[in-house]
Amino acid sequence: DAKTTQPNSMESNEEEPVHLPCNHSTISGTDYIHWYRQLPSQGPEYVIHGLTSNVNNRMASLAIAEDRKSSTLILHRATLRDAAVYYCILRDDHNNAGNMLTFGGGTRLMVKP
Amino acid sequence: DGGITQSPKYLFRKEGQNVTLSCEQNLNHDAMYWYRQDPGQGLRLIYYSQIVNDFQKGDIAEGYSVSREKKESFPLTVTSAQKNPTAFYLCASSIVDPDTQYFGPGTRLTVL
Repeated sequence: DAKTTQPNSMESNEEEPVHLPCNHSTISGTDYIHWYRQLPSQGPEYVIHGLTSNVNNRMASLAIAEDRKSSTLILHRATLRDAAVYYCILRDDHNNAGNMLTFGGGTRLMVKP
Repeated sequence: DGGITQSPKYLFRKEGQNVTLSCEQNLNHDAMYWYRQDPGQGLRLIYYSQIVNDFQKGDIAEGYSVSREKKESFPLTVTSAQKNPTAFYLCASSIVDPDTQYFGPGTRLTVL
């Protein structure tokens, strides 16, 4: 599986936008980019995913570089409830071999009031 | 409400005892997964099952066993062979060809 690299931690102020980067220089053509987040002492929850085009949903936006070697998760207005560990994961959604997710260390986002 | 449940939330066991963690889902999902998380680390896959009566080992299956007799249930047994069982255990489910895995709230196992 292709690997991802994320900063260990980031800080943000409440109600400001947050840009969480992810590098995936060895991404293959069929790898989708998935983002999950994990709040303290809870299971992870799905945030967003994409292949080539930028994606938006009610939780966040995903900006994917043209060469697909990096992506950025954008939280438009951070709230205290967005404080969590954010995981960037590559998964080959064309390979139906269990649909497993390989979690790295993620980025711990701290939101200051 | 549809969802995935794990019980108990906290579990304490003595060293050398087997213990079974429960995972139930009413989402009608075919696939289910067990992950282990150690403090400050990401999740690691223990076992997964794509369909009833079938399951495969993940990256760290040694010392664990599972069964999948019903679609909605995927219990995990932590055996005495698991050398360092204290961890946070997470169960997840998905439809076979999904965008999303849905996670339970987790069980924190402490072996004394």
